Amino acid sequence: SQQGEEDPQALSIQEGENATMNCSYKTSINNLQWYRQNSGRGLVHLILIRSNEREKHSGRLRVTLDTSKKSSSLLITASRAADTASYFCATDGSSGYALNFGKGTSLLVTP
Amino acid sequence: GAGVSQSPSNKVTEKGKDVELRCDPISGHTALYWYRQRLGQGLEFLIYFQGNSAPDKSGLPSDRFSAERTGESVSTLTIQRTQQEDSAVYLCASSLIGGSTDTQYFGPGTRLTVL
Repeated sequence: SQQGEEDPQALSIQEGENATMNCSYKTSINNLQWYRQNSGRGLVHLILIRSNEREKHSGRLRVTLDTSKKSSSLLITASRAADTASYFCATDGSSGYALNFGKGTSLLVTP
Repeated sequence: GAGVSQSPSNKVTEKGKDVELRCDPISGHTALYWYRQRLGQGLEFLIYFQGNSAPDKSGLPSDRFSAERTGESVSTLTIQRTQQEDSAVYLCASSLIGGSTDTQYFGPGTRLTVL
């Protein structure tokens, strides 16, 4: 079942601008992950943030987690055309291994 | 080293036919996952294999779906008597040991179209 819901569904920005995507979820989690998908095919893992962490950085990516609001945000700074992709948040489910994905945010970065 | 590979990359079949999708995980990864992604949607969990443990089949949508894994290597997902609603991209992922903190590495997927 899908738990994460990304917002907005689609985002269009120009190169150099920052892109912010949000994710909300419903049940308690141990961790939350963000993935990128190019052209509707394989996903690439970007970053994992644990429930006891509030912020995490990786290169141009910044992820925040607010467990009280059951929400997370992904910020991509100084975006590039190559960042054009769909971005998904995924939460760990009750199984402890299967991930629950949202429907994703489609990001378009224009030169 | 090589990543997760899947074959075929595209499969077009007629309603009612059986199809078999293959996944080659990263060598040494004990955990293997199958997901389904319908157009414009997120991924739906289908099945999970971990080592020699019994697989978790709780995500399989019907008894027309089945999957096998040989040891800690190749896995095949079989869909019998395909229906048009089975059209989707089927993604396989593997991870080192399993568990929600274990990074899952995804293959490129098989795009299945049922006419």
